[in-house]
Amino acid sequence: DIVLTQSPDSLAVSLGERATINCKSSQSISYSSNNNNYLAWYQHKPGQPPKLLIYWASTRESGVPDRFSGSGSGTDFTLTISSLQAEDVAVYYCQQYHSPPFTFGPGTKVDIK
Amino acid sequence: EVQLVESGGGLVQPGGSLKLSCAASGFTFSGSAMHWVRQASGKGLEWVGRIRTKTNNYATAYATSLEGRFTVSRDDSKNTAYLQMNSLKTDDTAVYYCTSGYYDSSAYFGYWGRGTLVTVSS
Repeated sequence: DIVLTQSPDSLAVSLGERATINCKSSQSISYSSNNNNYLAWYQHKPGQPPKLLIYWASTRESGVPDRFSGSGSGTDFTLTISSLQAEDVAVYYCQQYHSPPFTFGPGTKVDIK
Repeated sequence: EVQLVESGGGLVQPGGSLKLSCAASGFTFSGSAMHWVRQASGKGLEWVGRIRTKTNNYATAYATSLEGRFTVSRDDSKNTAYLQMNSLKTDDTAVYYCTSGYYDSSAYFGYWGRGTLVTVSS
């Protein structure tokens, strides 16, 4: 199985400041044939289903604010919230869909400082 | 509007079985792979399994940890996916989400249900 690790486990950021979450895969989750990175990011708030933010490592889902961005390739990926808003308080998960089983990272909790 | 509505959750004793349903609407169900994801209280998201479309022979895949106890199926005539859970353990207690990508080979999840709670306890 492909194992995803996330860092940090949690972080507190002041409103308007940048939040950066890292996701590392135990093996490459890109295919050389198409150069795509099979990684998605989700936001999960209590009592709600998870929400897709980013797929193909850097493609923003329709309707997601542009303060959310994804980057990285191969085994190392980053989700950046450029200017944290109060509504961004949530747990963020990375997920690989390179090959089944399609595993999630353990999550990073983001709070307001 | 896309809707995924899970049902069938509840309280079951260890060793028992339960079958969850996921009724879909608002998108081309027969053209989409269907997945199940669960979240135990205080824990992270865990992918459970998926079933692909008829075009891809209804291929299934499962989390390694499930040891063959769970089975995903679908009925395209009813726009419904199912999760059959057998030999349930207390560790299977979780909210179970039905989810889907935008097409058969898409395994990032844009559509989610609100989840159904399964409690395994004596």
